[in-house]
Amino acid sequence: DAEITQSPRHKITETGRQVTLACHQTWNHNNMFWYRQDLGHGLRLIHYSYGVQDTNKGEVSDGYSVSRSNTEDLPLTLESAASSQTSVYFCASSESISGTIDTQYFGPGTRLTVL
Amino acid sequence: RKEVEQDPGPFNVPEGATVAFNCTYSNSASQSFFWYRQDCRKEPKLLMSVYSSGNEDGRFTAQLNRASQYISLLIRDSKLSDSATYLCVVNMEGPGGGNKLTFGTGTQLKVEL
Repeated sequence: DAEITQSPRHKITETGRQVTLACHQTWNHNNMFWYRQDLGHGLRLIHYSYGVQDTNKGEVSDGYSVSRSNTEDLPLTLESAASSQTSVYFCASSESISGTIDTQYFGPGTRLTVL
Repeated sequence: RKEVEQDPGPFNVPEGATVAFNCTYSNSASQSFFWYRQDCRKEPKLLMSVYSSGNEDGRFTAQLNRASQYISLLIRDSKLSDSATYLCVVNMEGPGGGNKLTFGTGTQLKVEL
């Protein structure tokens, strides 16, 4: 069955370290998204991509970067981890034909703790 | 003002009760609307889309009022398994023609015996 996976599921790191969170989907979806979820804020969009070589900043993109070299993967990199980036990170994908109502499918999430 | 606002709850209701959640959104250009369900420490999953004419899926009914920029979700005959957080989600077209979702902070429902 097609799916979306994230790794690692849990990560503890230290302030200042570079961290990369992986996201892989097998639906061949064009669109992929990274969100973070914090108490009181709900899900906030970090970065998103509408296809290979396309990336866009979301509302909380500072300190994060992504690259899209193939359809299946959108890794999220924290260049220099900060304690404020302790959060649960969700990756999502959607097929997205413009103009249609489009469901996003979420991965299981990665719990990141920055000490 | 938040783009999507929900009452955080929690709503504690007895099994069998009817419960309604409300949501308002600020951007009148919003194009489509959803309710997602999120169980504790799990990923959000689509519960239902919300159409202008209103739509029903079993015990769940969703309504949209574009003039008031208001979305609702009604759950009838609540089950223990309905206990979760319900996220109101608004879809807007992004710069590249794809879609971008804005999430409310969620309303927590606890169904009790």
